[in-house]
Amino acid sequence: EAGVAQSPRYKIIEKRQSVAFWCNPISGHATLYWYQQILGQGPKLLIQFQNNGVVDDSQLPKDRFSAERLKGVDSTLKIQPAKLEDSAVYLCASSLGGRADTQYFGPGTRLTVL
Amino acid sequence: EDQVTQSPEALRLQEGESSSLNCSYTVSGLRGLFWYRQDPGKGPEFLFTLYSAGEEKEKERLKATLTKKESFLHITAPKPEDSATYLCAVHVHNDYKLSFGAGTTVTVRA
Repeated sequence: EAGVAQSPRYKIIEKRQSVAFWCNPISGHATLYWYQQILGQGPKLLIQFQNNGVVDDSQLPKDRFSAERLKGVDSTLKIQPAKLEDSAVYLCASSLGGRADTQYFGPGTRLTVL
Repeated sequence: EDQVTQSPEALRLQEGESSSLNCSYTVSGLRGLFWYRQDPGKGPEFLFTLYSAGEEKEKERLKATLTKKESFLHITAPKPEDSATYLCAVHVHNDYKLSFGAGTTVTVRA
């Protein structure tokens, strides 16, 4: 069974530029999550989708971050404009259902903002 | 506010030297406690889920236990390939997100 796919794996941009990350979840998984992991910390949830709809985006900085999940499958996370403090690993995860289901993570995208 | 604290931050072990990692949590209504392993440059890899106090789960050299306030991950006779960061996360009632601790980085020397 294929795991969660993410691209790109690495990205380096200048501050104030924009960037987008892509995620393809495990086939059949209805729930998709985006996490931000800063070096030395655990992952922090940014946004959660159940099929096409947003379930929780309370920790998403909406002035600069946006995310969408078209057709209930792939998802894109965008940052515009980027700040230095956005340097982190962005992890995508998916699960079969919602609450308390095991979440399976992709390899992440390492973003460096200069 | 829900809190998850892992200790120690780092652990250096000799091959074969057993030890334990701690995850203490302060949450309202635990629904599940998860253990993940994360290798450098990779995403977290699922290890265990524990749902109620007294529950134990094992996988190869790893054993996870749960009480009402904390969970332990015991590593028995570790090998160098057990070197990784081990993350603990909690899922609480009426919430969707996993709240993670900062992790314990384990280094096993041959």
